[in-house]
Amino acid sequence: DGGITQSPKYLFRKEGQNVTLSCEQNLNHDAMYWYRQDPGQGLRLIYYSQIVNDFQKGDIAEGYSVSREKKESFPLTVTSAQKNPTAFYLCASSIVKGWTEAFFGQGTRLTVV
Amino acid sequence: AQSVTQLDSQVPVFEEAPVELRCNYSSSVSVYLFWYVQYPNQGLQLLLKYLSGSTLVESINGFEAEFNKSQTSFHLRKPSVHISDTAEYFCAVSDPSSGGSQGNLIFGKGTKLSVKP
Repeated sequence: DGGITQSPKYLFRKEGQNVTLSCEQNLNHDAMYWYRQDPGQGLRLIYYSQIVNDFQKGDIAEGYSVSREKKESFPLTVTSAQKNPTAFYLCASSIVKGWTEAFFGQGTRLTVV
Repeated sequence: AQSVTQLDSQVPVFEEAPVELRCNYSSSVSVYLFWYVQYPNQGLQLLLKYLSGSTLVESINGFEAEFNKSQTSFHLRKPSVHISDTAEYFCAVSDPSSGGSQGNLIFGKGTKLSVKP
């Protein structure tokens, strides 16, 4: 079945450690996105990529980094510079030309202690 | 810049009652409009969308939304809710003239629908 897979579903890390969240899609979509979700805040865009080896900062990119070496994969690294990393992270993908909707993964809940 | 306002953060309702979740967006330019649903600890699923054409759009599970350009609204309605409709609902807007892509998709803060027996 086609879809977006995020792993792991739950992740615990100690403060000061970098952590990488995985996102893989087999929908043959060119564009991929990372959102952060906090209670009562809706979804805020962290980074997005419309093509391999290229990506753009979203509204809240500070403290995060991404790479897009393969069309299928768009990992997100939460660095120690992110002041408040505990959140629910959602990955999404879409076509670019003629875009009409986005498809989301199941999310990763990151807890930093 | 576009913004989306979901007027109610929480909506409690009894089973089989009607419900309306309100959504207003800021710009009167041509837009795409979406409602997504999120069940606890899961990702977002597209519920319905308005791209063009008929202003009333329907989902397969009984929800409908009406695009009202003059009021810049896209309210979500269901005539009779079920316990299984308990979830958080997000309204989102995109301006297709800005070049497309979800980089321009703006979300509201969400409305938690709680259906009680």
